[in-house]
Amino acid sequence: GQQLNQSPQSMFIQEGEDVSMNCTSSSIFNTWLWYKQDPGEGPVLLIALYKAGELTSNGRLTAQFGITRKDSFLNISASIPSDVGIYFCAGEPGGSEKLVFGKGTKLTVNP
Amino acid sequence: DGGITQSPKYLFRKEGQNVTLSCEQNLNHDAMYWYRQDPGQGLRLIYYSQIVNDFQKGDIAEGYSVSREKKESFPLTVTSAQKNPTAFYLCASRQGHTGELFFGEGSRLTVL
Repeated sequence: GQQLNQSPQSMFIQEGEDVSMNCTSSSIFNTWLWYKQDPGEGPVLLIALYKAGELTSNGRLTAQFGITRKDSFLNISASIPSDVGIYFCAGEPGGSEKLVFGKGTKLTVNP
Repeated sequence: DGGITQSPKYLFRKEGQNVTLSCEQNLNHDAMYWYRQDPGQGLRLIYYSQIVNDFQKGDIAEGYSVSREKKESFPLTVTSAQKNPTAFYLCASRQGHTGELFFGEGSRLTVL
């Protein structure tokens, strides 16, 4: 089946630093979704992207739908301790009812 | 408040027993999904349903069963045929066939 490559797998940063992570695919996607998951909880939707080139912000979070439709990026500015968690991307291939998920980026923020 | 409710949050089961996980949503969403999450892996789709009384197998349906008798409910049964059932199970829903997917808080199943 289709796969998403999400990188990096993990990040250790200092409070106040900016963070960037991305997902890439070998095929074209129509939708990109970014989620954050805390331990033992369900993923929470952060940002949804529907159009190639689209850049969307949600507070300190900014995500972009790559112009090739094969990638997406999530940036977090001025990180704070509560940003700790696992961030997942999910993409929707054209003509499919099923989302494909990345394996996640585990973010650790040191105060 | 609208949302997706999964129960129980934690469940322990002996080998050879079937167990049913509940998922209820009051978002009036048409589509509902069950995913399995294992450490270090992406979410894997077990079953999904686009409409009442209809559902389709996902990528790892073996050893699982579902029903969709009501729009708001999509229970998952983990049967004794599932060889490695210990995992975190997530229910999700969305309005149509595409677009934003919303998750419940998850159910952790442990087989003793």
